[in-house]
Amino acid sequence: QVQLVQSEAAVKKPGSSVKVSCQASGGTFTSYAISWVRQAPGQGLEWMGGIIPVFGTPNYAEKFRGRITITADEPTRTVYMDLNSLTSEDTAVYYCARDPGEVTGNNPGLFDYWGQGTLVTVSS
Amino acid sequence: DIQMTQSPSSLSASVGDRVIITCRASQTIGTYVNWYQQRPGKAPNLLIYSASNLHSGVPSRFSGSGSGTDFTLTIRSLQPEDLATYSCQQTYTALYSFGQGTKLEIK
Repeated sequence: QVQLVQSEAAVKKPGSSVKVSCQASGGTFTSYAISWVRQAPGQGLEWMGGIIPVFGTPNYAEKFRGRITITADEPTRTVYMDLNSLTSEDTAVYYCARDPGEVTGNNPGLFDYWGQGTLVTVSS
Repeated sequence: DIQMTQSPSSLSASVGDRVIITCRASQTIGTYVNWYQQRPGKAPNLLIYSASNLHSGVPSRFSGSGSGTDFTLTIRSLQPEDLATYSCQQTYTALYSFGQGTKLEIK
């Protein structure tokens, strides 16, 4: 059974950075991509970027390019999302999600397992 | 970027009702649409992929249809556990944009 377990909630000051982790268990870590999706209070889902751990090359949404870094550590089966220059508009629940199709080319962008979510609050 | 617009933004229905949620893409996207259900305080769950395919374990009362720019999610006989927000997602481009969500309440 695949499980994605994320790091705990965080409170950050404006201008600082946050690093959220997502540890995978079950399945073959190198056979899928991991994406990050966030949801601001009362808002819809927003895709931020993703990475295929076995290749290590991330792909970012234009909106976050320059502010986001997604990395993967294969030995610990953990993917990290680092977001800097935080503002109050970055207050959101951040989810990681598994995307098996990104590797196979069959239905990329289909998120079949999700982490439990990490609330990041940006406040002075 | 492809914009996904859902309607309605919210709706209230009774147990046993048929519910239809629509999603319109800002350009033609074939059948590259997925639907997710998000119960209050929980992570999203995949319901439908490629516009009309039921994900494993999803009850058969859920169905999806559409192609091009217009898509629908139908719940055939609403159940109390269907209280949730439903979101469409386009995967036509690698910038996987979502609709703003439709909040479904049970009367």
